[in-house]
Amino acid sequence: AQSVTQPDIHITVSEGASLELRCNYSYGATPYLFWYVQSPGQGLQLLLKYFSGDTLVQGIKGFEAEFKRSQSSFNLRKPSVHWSDAAEYFCAVGSGGITGGGNKLTFGTGTQLKVEL
Amino acid sequence: GAGVSQSPSNKVTEKGKDVELRCDPISGHTALYWYRQSLGQGLEFLIYFQGNSAPDKSGLPSDRFSAERTGGSVSTLTIQRTQQEDSAVYLCASSLGQYNQPQHFGDGTRLSIL
Repeated sequence: AQSVTQPDIHITVSEGASLELRCNYSYGATPYLFWYVQSPGQGLQLLLKYFSGDTLVQGIKGFEAEFKRSQSSFNLRKPSVHWSDAAEYFCAVGSGGITGGGNKLTFGTGTQLKVEL
Repeated sequence: GAGVSQSPSNKVTEKGKDVELRCDPISGHTALYWYRQSLGQGLEFLIYFQGNSAPDKSGLPSDRFSAERTGGSVSTLTIQRTQQEDSAVYLCASSLGQYNQPQHFGDGTRLSIL
């Protein structure tokens, strides 16, 4: 069964500092990986996705993530954090239709990001 | 609107009552998913619809939960005889259906069982 681990429940960074959120996955085939962000009272917004090809993917809002198969990781990075980035971030792995069930997402438990001004 | 629309945004009901949650997906999206977000369990897949195919119900937690999708568009998630552990945010997402198409989420329905 697929699974996702986000080891950091809370992270606090200063505005302007760099950010890295960790994500490790377990999946038996080529994973389909996603990062979503959730602001309070709102749904999930897709930041970026990886399906194949270049292992460094660019997303919205200046975020990027790097897929490392050898480490089963898909860490999210941003060079300079803005106060508006404070939110909860979720890493997810999709079944990719292999099981015939569409792209069901399995989510990590999320990382709450706080930005200090 | 261009996004996934869910209603109601908030629902408070008494234990034992039935509730219906509605999801209106993005026009043209053939795939529709329901997820549940709760403090104890995080984000969990519930059910998946794709076109006219039989839905994938593998994530439904009990037979009190059911969902339908009429005309390939609007979906309703029904919870019968609600229990306090059903309290959660129920999120709906839709996509173009192919496995490599991202899912777009609504803002969810916050369900509180008294």
